[in-house]
Amino acid sequence: DVKVTQSSRYLVKRTGEKVFLECVQDMDHENMFWYRQDPGLGLRLIYFSYDVKMKEKGDIPEGYSVSREKKERFSLILESASTNQTSMYLCASSLASGRNQPQHFGDGTRLSIL
Amino acid sequence: DQQVKQNSPSLSVQEGRISILNCDYTNSMFDYFLWYKKYPAEGPTFLISISSIKDKNEDGRFTVFLNKSAKHLSLHIVPSQPGDSAVYFCAASLIQGAQKLVFGQGTRLTINP
Repeated sequence: DVKVTQSSRYLVKRTGEKVFLECVQDMDHENMFWYRQDPGLGLRLIYFSYDVKMKEKGDIPEGYSVSREKKERFSLILESASTNQTSMYLCASSLASGRNQPQHFGDGTRLSIL
Repeated sequence: DQQVKQNSPSLSVQEGRISILNCDYTNSMFDYFLWYKKYPAEGPTFLISISSIKDKNEDGRFTVFLNKSAKHLSLHIVPSQPGDSAVYFCAASLIQGAQKLVFGQGTRLTINP
């Protein structure tokens, strides 16, 4: 079974802080993704990566950056946290080989910015 | 611009009956569609998918139907069970690159005993 692990389930930070959210997958997946989930908006893609050191902007990248130094690890960085970044953050991974591979999700990090 | 829409925020169904969840999309380039199920405090789990070359895919109690001309897909659960109570997201993938998914807003399904 695929295991996607997010380092924190709950996190509380203050506005202006630099925040790191970590995600690790154990299935040697090439693709990794960061989403945020907000009520009534579903999941929205922030950034994704299809290889080590490669990154692509998703639909809502503003205020975020990412880092992928190793294949199994994908970090989301809030450069200067703001209250509108309070949300549930979900990491996912998928195989790149072939077509139509489902994404596998971690359990999420509920981030509150005070 | 919501490319994937689930117009029903919630749905309530009697145990044992059929649950039908609906999803509409606007981008005709989508070629792969998925349904995810999400319990509170857990990540979404993959349920079932369908390629655009098919119009139906079945897996046990779950069947997904795709109507390309109407740009509509639906998930049928029969018979519905209490453990099916969750939020269901439909998602669609574009014909390109790293298989980005575009998600709908989700439908909360409640199965009543």
